[in-house]
Amino acid sequence: EVQVVTSGGGLVQPGRSLRLSCATSGFTLRDYPMTWFRKPPGKGLEWVGFIRSKPYGGTTEYAASVKGRFTISLDESKGIAYLQMDSLKTEDTAVYYCSRSLHGGYPSDYWGQGTLVTVSS
Amino acid sequence: DIQMTQSPSSVSASIGDTITITCRASRDVSTWLAWYQHKPGQAPKLLIYGASILQTGVPSRFSGSGSGTEFTLTINSLQPGDFATYYCQQATSFPLTFGQGTRLEI
Repeated sequence: EVQVVTSGGGLVQPGRSLRLSCATSGFTLRDYPMTWFRKPPGKGLEWVGFIRSKPYGGTTEYAASVKGRFTISLDESKGIAYLQMDSLKTEDTAVYYCSRSLHGGYPSDYWGQGTLVTVSS
Repeated sequence: DIQMTQSPSSVSASIGDTITITCRASRDVSTWLAWYQHKPGQAPKLLIYGASILQTGVPSRFSGSGSGTEFTLTINSLQPGDFATYYCQQATSFPLTFGQGTRLEI
């Protein structure tokens, strides 16, 4: 059974860093792209970025709002995807979701339950 | 970026009704279009991809159609578990973008 579990959220001050984890099971992480999304309070879903599977180079794409501040990576041995968030801003406050995606990062067929990140002083 | 616009923003319906949600893209996305259902406190759920392909396990009451810039999601015979927010998403180019969501209420 495919499972995706997101964790690592919390309260963090502006300018600080936080790393989210996405633990996977039931499939081989290196064979699938992994995508991160977020849902700010009172707003809709937003695409944050994704990492291509290793057979496709393992490269990344990011939304303009997070490019240069957020980094997606994989630990294949542990089956975990990470979202490293640096220089956090108040507008990054959201529930963050990771998902397994198919080729090209679309569609996302299995999602984690989400973890809340609150950026506030 | 490709802008996705859904209508209506919210819709009220009753059990057993049929509703249709429209999604328009600011430029041609062919059939690179997915629909997701999202309930508060839960993970979003993939319903349809390729504009009209039903994800495994999704009831056939859900159907999608369209190509290019105009798409529809139709839900027949509404059930209590269908009341949620629905999003379309284009995947023809980065950044992948969503519509603003359509809230389906009783």
